[in-house]
Amino acid sequence: GAGVSQSPSNKVTEKGKDVELRCDPISGHTALYWYRQSLGQGLEFLIYFQGNSAPDKSGLPSDRFSAERTGGSVSTLTIQRTQQEDSAVYLCASSPPRHEQFFGPGTRLTVL
Amino acid sequence: AQTVTQSQPEMSVQEAETVTLSCTYDTSESDYYLFWYKQPPSRQMILVIRQEAYKQQNATENRFSVNFQKAAKSFSLKISDSQLGDAAMYFCAYVGGTASKLTFGTGTRLQVTL
Repeated sequence: GAGVSQSPSNKVTEKGKDVELRCDPISGHTALYWYRQSLGQGLEFLIYFQGNSAPDKSGLPSDRFSAERTGGSVSTLTIQRTQQEDSAVYLCASSPPRHEQFFGPGTRLTVL
Repeated sequence: AQTVTQSQPEMSVQEAETVTLSCTYDTSESDYYLFWYKQPPSRQMILVIRQEAYKQQNATENRFSVNFQKAAKSFSLKISDSQLGDAAMYFCAYVGGTASKLTFGTGTRLQVTL
């Protein structure tokens, strides 16, 4: 079956611009996660959605970062006024209720 | 706070040989799950194996097996009959029973040589 998909695969933007990253989870998975993978910081949790519950935003690094999940399916991670330190691979994962998370291929964001 | 430690930044193994990657973790939870993920250069994170803390039996998936030592909070991954396609970054990860997010170790880069 189809796995988690993310778009775009790569994104190059200029400092100060806004970017939107998209994640399509596996159908039927109620949980959706965003992680960031950067050199020197490893894999960091950003945000978690579970069904209709309020999202766990505890990992978002600043108020420039936000995410939404529409209709319990597709999610968009938005970074406003991008900075060079936002350059990283942004990974999305989805999960059934058994905790194992299935990852998408990631979006590599480069802020010039 | 939960932490996951991988003390081997890089490992190397010859094709067809066996290699063990180390992972230790710290938690006060009694109910949790542990995972090994593989990330090849394509950057796709692939689940290799999972272990539920309440299970005493070590998980096995084909050539991959774990040595889960709950008292020592150790969770090592053994790869038998290593293949060139096993070359990748390997991440150990933890999730507590009531939590949701994965906590990752810093990864071990595995090289497989001929």
